[in-house]
Amino acid sequence: LAKTTQPISMDSYEGQEVNITCSHNNIATNDYITWYQQFPSQGPRFIIQGYKTKVTNEVASLFIPADRKSSTLSLPRVSLSDTAVYYCLVGERNRDDKIIFGKGTRLHILP
Amino acid sequence: EPEVTQTPSHQVTQMGQEVILRCVPISNHLYFYWYRQILGQKVEFLVSFYNNEISEKSEIFDDQFSVERPDGSNFTLKIRSTKLEDSAMYFCASTGSDSYEQYFGPGTRLTVT
Repeated sequence: LAKTTQPISMDSYEGQEVNITCSHNNIATNDYITWYQQFPSQGPRFIIQGYKTKVTNEVASLFIPADRKSSTLSLPRVSLSDTAVYYCLVGERNRDDKIIFGKGTRLHILP
Repeated sequence: EPEVTQTPSHQVTQMGQEVILRCVPISNHLYFYWYRQILGQKVEFLVSFYNNEISEKSEIFDDQFSVERPDGSNFTLKIRSTKLEDSAMYFCASTGSDSYEQYFGPGTRLTVT
């Protein structure tokens, strides 16, 4: 599994766009990049997954440069309810594979 | 939207007692997992389960732990003799054949006194 590095914590304000960058220099050809979100006292929740370029859904966008050695999760116009821990995961897509969570990025949205 | 459910939401037990944590995965899902999160720490993988058998287990998942899918809907985690260090949030997750994302339940907070 490729090692990932992401900031331990970030602060932002309501209404701002938040970008969380994850480094994964050793990403392999078959690896995908996946982000999960965890609110306090809740289970993690899948946000978005991508392989290259850009992926967008109703929650976030994921930007992946051509070399795929990093990726950026973009949350448009955050609100207080976006305060959570965000985990960047890199690995092959296998349905019976465990998820190895790191410490993630603790995002704190201020009013 | 379908969701994974877990019961109880909070379980308090005495050291040495057996506990069973229950999960109802999403109905057409085939892959099942248990994770735990000690307060303030990372989410840790315990075990994965597919086709009525364990696919993989971590070092945490020792002989005191067992999993079972007793019927077509429930997935249980049993801790035979609880220790103080078993106190944690326990999350169940499941994945379907048409997706790669894991759907997590809300968790059971286990407190061992």
